[in-house]
Amino acid sequence: KAGVTQTPRYLIKTRGQQVTLSCSPISGHRSVSWYQQTPGQGLQFLFEYFSETQRNKGNFPGRFSGRQFSNSRSEMNVSTLELGDSALYLCASSSGGQGISDTQYFGPGTRLTVL
Amino acid sequence: GQQLNQSPQSMFIQEGEDVSMNCTSSSIFNTWLWYKQDPGEGPVLLIALYKAGELTSNGRLTAQFGITRKDSFLNISASIPSDVGIYFCAGQRSWEAAGNKLTFGGGTRVLVKP
Repeated sequence: KAGVTQTPRYLIKTRGQQVTLSCSPISGHRSVSWYQQTPGQGLQFLFEYFSETQRNKGNFPGRFSGRQFSNSRSEMNVSTLELGDSALYLCASSSGGQGISDTQYFGPGTRLTVL
Repeated sequence: GQQLNQSPQSMFIQEGEDVSMNCTSSSIFNTWLWYKQDPGEGPVLLIALYKAGELTSNGRLTAQFGITRKDSFLNISASIPSDVGIYFCAGQRSWEAAGNKLTFGGGTRVLVKP
């Protein structure tokens, strides 16, 4: 079974631009969660999508948004990029069940550098 | 920022040694997870713990879910060079409180002794 895939793997943008990252979950998984990883703040939860709806949200500004398509693929968008948005953005997929054993599997991440 | 205190922040291992790391929190978690991340990759799940007091093994790895639900530890026995990497603990609260959001520790960087 193929794992979680993320594209692109690397991106370089300049301040003020916007960026869209893509995530394809494991086949059959309906939940996609996004995390930001930086050296200073570690791994932080951005949001989760299930059945094309945002089901859960972390403490990030409105410049960070996402969506999910009917095939469970998800995109996240960051508008008006700031230098501090440079990070590894990780996507995790799970079956989406509302239980403690709904394990999340991570993709390789997209490394975003903002200049 | 993260709410899980993971220690040590880094450690050196010599092949054959046993190593351990732990995670503590001021809050209760219903699930504890341990992930390993290699350079340029996403975290890979090593062990999942769902019940207070649970002790679970996966090969040379053993992890325990603390009885208070506020801590967990991971042991690696007889370490080998490929154990090098960054290990993260992660906690999940109840579905009602936080959905499937994972809260991560700051990581333990495992390095080989020169």
